[in-house]
Amino acid sequence: QQQVKQSPQSLIVQKGGISIINCAYENTAFDYFPWYQQFPGKGPALLIAIRPDVSEKKEGRFTISFNKSAKQFSLHIMDSQPGDSATYFCAASSMGQAGTALIFGKGTTLSVSS
Amino acid sequence: DGGITQSPKYLFRKEGQNVTLSCEQNLNHDAMYWYRQDPGQGLRLIYYSQIVNDFQKGDIAEGYSVSREKKESFPLTVTSAQKNPTAFYLCATQKGRTNTGELFFGEGSRLTVL
Repeated sequence: QQQVKQSPQSLIVQKGGISIINCAYENTAFDYFPWYQQFPGKGPALLIAIRPDVSEKKEGRFTISFNKSAKQFSLHIMDSQPGDSATYFCAASSMGQAGTALIFGKGTTLSVSS
Repeated sequence: DGGITQSPKYLFRKEGQNVTLSCEQNLNHDAMYWYRQDPGQGLRLIYYSQIVNDFQKGDIAEGYSVSREKKESFPLTVTSAQKNPTAFYLCATQKGRTNTGELFFGEGSRLTVL
């Protein structure tokens, strides 16, 4: 059972454009929603994260939008740059609980063309 | 420098052989995780450990084994029972024993079965 569904699988965006990646979750107990960025041959690194008590979080060119009623959240990359080309994973978990771990989406490969 | 060291970075194995992947951390983090990454499949949890001498199975534990004899070390053995072992393996840590959200990843080990 896939608990976090991510789309699209791949995305090509022109330099300066907006990249949008979407995720949906099923478990209403999830209360922490991070996005990870992974460059080829490297491990993922935390990019930005949101808790369900806010609908949006912005850090620089990266914004998470969160819709609790729809159980969906998305990553927006404004003014996309070639250096943003990477694989992005959304994830979800229940904070503060023992015996739990992050559940990841299948990833989106972003290519930003110059 | 604090960090997570995975070794070897690349490993080739013949069918029927067991192989052990090393993961060492000097972050003094309590929890450690092993994920498997396959193209288009995202990150799937193999095993995790929140305290020394204790560990739990993840979603795809069959054919794998782990140990946690020291806080700093969480080796993963890929046994001959694992049917499709060729993959990119990622070790991660988390600061607390309960789910605090952020995972810190190593740079991964790529295993190829010949």
